Amino acid sequence: DSGVTQTPKHLITATGQRVTLRCSPRSGDLSVYWYQQSLDQGLQFLIQYYNGEERAKGNILERFSAQQFPDLHSELNLSSLELGDSALYFCASSVDGGREETQYFGPGTRLLVL
Amino acid sequence: AQSVTQLDSHVSVSEGTPVLLRCNYSSSYSPSLFWYVQHPNKGLQLLLKYTSAATLVKGINGFEAEFKKSETSFHLTKPSAHMSDAAEYFCVVSDPGNNDMRFGAGTRLTVKP
Repeated sequence: DSGVTQTPKHLITATGQRVTLRCSPRSGDLSVYWYQQSLDQGLQFLIQYYNGEERAKGNILERFSAQQFPDLHSELNLSSLELGDSALYFCASSVDGGREETQYFGPGTRLLVL
Repeated sequence: AQSVTQLDSHVSVSEGTPVLLRCNYSSSYSPSLFWYVQHPNKGLQLLLKYTSAATLVKGINGFEAEFKKSETSFHLTKPSAHMSDAAEYFCVVSDPGNNDMRFGAGTRLTVKP
């Protein structure tokens, strides 16, 4: 158990809909990362937050957005969902968000768009 | 921009034999390199990381990796495979100079009894 929690574990929705994925980092970690893992694109870094502020952006679509709240939990919002958004979404956390730091991954949220 | 190539999508070994998972990278800076393992239906777990200290890095569960700048490689090895090592392994490169991390496509390790 990494100490990072993600809810829900599974999500089934329809095209065009909007969903919110939630992540709680390990106690004491200030930085949160979001990743998408799909069969065709592999593991992709989406976005990173540090202490409530966006720190880095990867291959995140404009239809997707995220935020980190004062209690340090984070939410990833996916809107106008398409079939290709079906994937496993991971959240990770680290202490300070430095690129040399170990990231601790949550168990993931499996999203299926029908 | 940095990139990483895992040279084998699937490696199969017998229990008790050595494991070699190959990773090559490209980077404009002195990169940080990581190996993560993902067991079925689980999140990723760090095995080991290189951050410009010793070039031979020891990780958990008997794994180690050697950073070879001249070959731009960071191969993962283990002297003797165990059944519990069966999983997907990801090589990751991170440039401290920019805010991006790149994952390899992954290598699926199968361990036969």
